[in-house]
Amino acid sequence: KQEVTQIPAALSVPEGENLVLNCSFTDSAIYNLQWFRQDPGKGLTSLLLIQSSQREQTSGRLNASLDKSSGRSTLYIAASQPGDSATYLCAVTPPGNTGKLIFGQGTTLQVKP
Amino acid sequence: GAGVSQTPSNKVTEKGKYVELRCDPISGHTALYWYRQSLGQGPEFLIYFQGTGAADDSGLPNDRFFAVRPEGSVSTLKIQRTERGDSAVYLCASSLSGTGFGEQYFGPGTRLTVT
Repeated sequence: KQEVTQIPAALSVPEGENLVLNCSFTDSAIYNLQWFRQDPGKGLTSLLLIQSSQREQTSGRLNASLDKSSGRSTLYIAASQPGDSATYLCAVTPPGNTGKLIFGQGTTLQVKP
Repeated sequence: GAGVSQTPSNKVTEKGKYVELRCDPISGHTALYWYRQSLGQGPEFLIYFQGTGAADDSGLPNDRFFAVRPEGSVSTLKIQRTERGDSAVYLCASSLSGTGFGEQYFGPGTRLTVT
């Protein structure tokens, strides 16, 4: 059974710092991996999607990497800002024809001004 | 265009009552998903529709939970004889494709509280 773990559960950093969020998964057989952002009381916003054949994706100050063989992904946030404060979730799509997502528990990030 | 919408945004009900939660996906998206998110946890998959049919309902916790999508667009999640443990945020997502290669777009969720 696929399990997704995110470490740390919470993180607090000063504004301007570069940071890395970690995600690990137990079964390397995945179609893709997505990173989402969730603001309090809101739904999920997709940040980056990495297909299983890709190693990384970049969008602005965000860079996500995928090492399928070791079951790991990282989300790198450069020059963090208070507006980056949110919960970050990673999710994998297991093989099959459904596309359902299996999520980690999330990392709650606070960026202090 | 409009994103995924969910109604109501909040629902408070008494234990034992019946509730319906509605999801309106992005127009043209054939795949629709329901997830449930408990406090401090990531969302958990409940059910997946491809068109009008439930292609995977393996995440439904028990037979009190049922979902429909009669015309391949709007979906309704139905919960009978609600229990306090059903309290959670119910999220809906839609995608152009259900093959696993498409991005899912999430609605804002319905917060269900069972008293």
